[in-house]
Amino acid sequence: IAGITQAPTSQILAAGRRMTLRCTQDMRHNAMYWYRQDLGLGLRLIHYSNTAGTTGKGEVPDGYSVSRANTDDFPLTLASAVPSQTSVYFCASSTGQEGYNEQFFGPGTRLTVL
Amino acid sequence: GQNIDQPTEMTATEGAIVQINCTYQTSGFNGLFWYQQHAGEAPTFLSYNVLDGLEEKGRFSSFLSRSKGYSYLLLKELQMKDSASYLCAVRDSNYQLIWGAGTKLIIKP
Repeated sequence: IAGITQAPTSQILAAGRRMTLRCTQDMRHNAMYWYRQDLGLGLRLIHYSNTAGTTGKGEVPDGYSVSRANTDDFPLTLASAVPSQTSVYFCASSTGQEGYNEQFFGPGTRLTVL
Repeated sequence: GQNIDQPTEMTATEGAIVQINCTYQTSGFNGLFWYQQHAGEAPTFLSYNVLDGLEEKGRFSSFLSRSKGYSYLLLKELQMKDSASYLCAVRDSNYQLIWGAGTKLIIKP
């Protein structure tokens, strides 16, 4: 079934630990995104990639890094987790950024940093 | 700064009509999206407006007025399964989506 997968589904992490959230899409979409969603706030863009080999910073990039080695995969790494990074993380993808290009979302990763 | 405003919560009755408003102030405008998000799930696309006017898609319609920085999502013949959060998002001059906090819609029998 075509779509986006994320792993893990949920994770409890000790502060200071390194963590990589995985995201894979099989729709051959050029653009991919990482968002965090916190109660009472809208989705906030962490990092994005317009095409394989390129990445950009979103609204809240500090403490996170990404890579886009190929079209399908877009991992998000927390180098040294802090409690403020407790959130639900969504990966999304779209054909492009312009026009009627909706973003398709993965099921999310619920991360708790203690 | 960029800002998207939506009501936090609304309540409506099964079978009725509800209108969810969204006002925005963004650096540039390249389209407005509405998404539905059920509790514990991912957002799913509902509608897209880039020109002024009404876009109708079954029981759901979305309206846009660019001069007023205003949109609404209209849901008709409400069903219990429509209980969800509805997210308004504007694509800005950098072609990134700026999201509102969402409107939680509660449907009562």
